[in-house]
Amino acid sequence: AQSVAQPEDQVNVAEGNPLTVKCTYSVSGNPYLFWYVQYPNRGLQFLLKYITGDNLVKGSYGFEAEFNKSQTSFHLKKPSALVSDSALYFCAVRDEAGSSYKLIFGSGTRLLVRP
Amino acid sequence: DTGVSQNPRHKITKRGQNVTFRCDPISEHNRLYWYRQTLGQGPEFLTYFQNEAQLEKSRLLSDRFSAERPKGSFSTLEIQRTEQGDSAMYLCASSLVRGGGEAFFGQGTRLTVV
Repeated sequence: AQSVAQPEDQVNVAEGNPLTVKCTYSVSGNPYLFWYVQYPNRGLQFLLKYITGDNLVKGSYGFEAEFNKSQTSFHLKKPSALVSDSALYFCAVRDEAGSSYKLIFGSGTRLLVRP
Repeated sequence: DTGVSQNPRHKITKRGQNVTFRCDPISEHNRLYWYRQTLGQGPEFLTYFQNEAQLEKSRLLSDRFSAERPKGSFSTLEIQRTEQGDSAMYLCASSLVRGGGEAFFGQGTRLTVV
């Protein structure tokens, strides 16, 4: 069964510092990986995805993610955090069993950027 | 705005009542998904439509839940005889069959069963 794990419930970082939100995955084949962000009482906004190709994927709002096959990780990064980045971040893997391509989400990591 | 639209945004209902939610996907998207998200958790898959056909249902989807997507356009999710455990955020998402598979989510319907 495919799954993702987000080992940190919360990440705290000062504005202007780099941030990393961790995600590890478990899949039987090649992974299709995604990051989404959720602001309070809102739906999920797509940030970026990895399908194949370069291990460093660039996405929205200055975020990027690094795919590491040997460590089965897909960590989300940003060189300089903003207070407005404070939100809930979800890593997800696409379920390749069946035809739905539904997403399997991690439990989420709350990012708090302090001024 | 051509994103995914969900209505209502909030619904408070008494236990035992029936509720219905609506989702309007991005117009050219033929895949539509319903997810449920409880506090402090990631979204969990409920059901999937390709065009008007409901092709997959989660075991989470008890027989009190039913979803439709007539004519392959908007979708409705109905919960009959609501229970307090149904309180959650119900999220709708849509995507294309082709492409990288990223799904675009609506803002969700928050259901509170009292």
